[in-house]
Amino acid sequence: AQTVTQSQPEMSVQEAETVTLSCTYDTSENNYYLFWYKQPPSRQMILVIRQEAYKQQNATENRFSVNFQKAAKSFSLKISDSQLGDTAMYFCAFKETSGSRLTFGEGTQLTVNP
Amino acid sequence: AAGVIQSPRHLIKEKRETATLKCYPIPRHDTVYWYQQGPGQDPQFLISFYEKMQSDKGSIPDRFSAQQFSDYHSELNMSSLELGDSALYFCASSEQGFHNSPLHFGNGTRLTVT
Repeated sequence: AQTVTQSQPEMSVQEAETVTLSCTYDTSENNYYLFWYKQPPSRQMILVIRQEAYKQQNATENRFSVNFQKAAKSFSLKISDSQLGDTAMYFCAFKETSGSRLTFGEGTQLTVNP
Repeated sequence: AAGVIQSPRHLIKEKRETATLKCYPIPRHDTVYWYQQGPGQDPQFLISFYEKMQSDKGSIPDRFSAQQFSDYHSELNMSSLELGDSALYFCASSEQGFHNSPLHFGNGTRLTVT
């Protein structure tokens, strides 16, 4: 079974600064998909960014980028120019194949301070 | 763009009662997933359906059942409710044919069992 670990229960960052959230996972599969989801106080689950394991290039979405290290099974999220609206719980998630379930990490509560 | 629709948004039931949660996936999405998120927890996978057939099963109690209908909407039926069933229930949908298709989540149904 796949496991996803987020070792930082809480993090904080000043507005406009950069922060990195860590995620590691365990799998015996060679191809899979990784995601970061954001859950603000509204509790809605919002997709932030996704990475396909067979792609070596790190995914980027505006201020959000990932550092995907396949050999180390690491998938960190970097948020640049942090904004107050980035305050949320961030979940790292793993998906083995198309149609399969998402397995979530425990989450990291990020607070952006003014 | 159309999103995943869940109803109701909030539901209050007493112990031993029955509850039914509904989910309407994004148009053309053929796979539906149900997740349960307890307070301060990461979402836990319950069950999924692809083309009206159960495709995967997670930690869903025997008191719960679910199905997907011909119009692809899904219902989660919960009987003999217990206090511990109080949680946020998410439905998500994806398009099976696209291997990197992420799960798109609804806004959730908050179930409170008293």
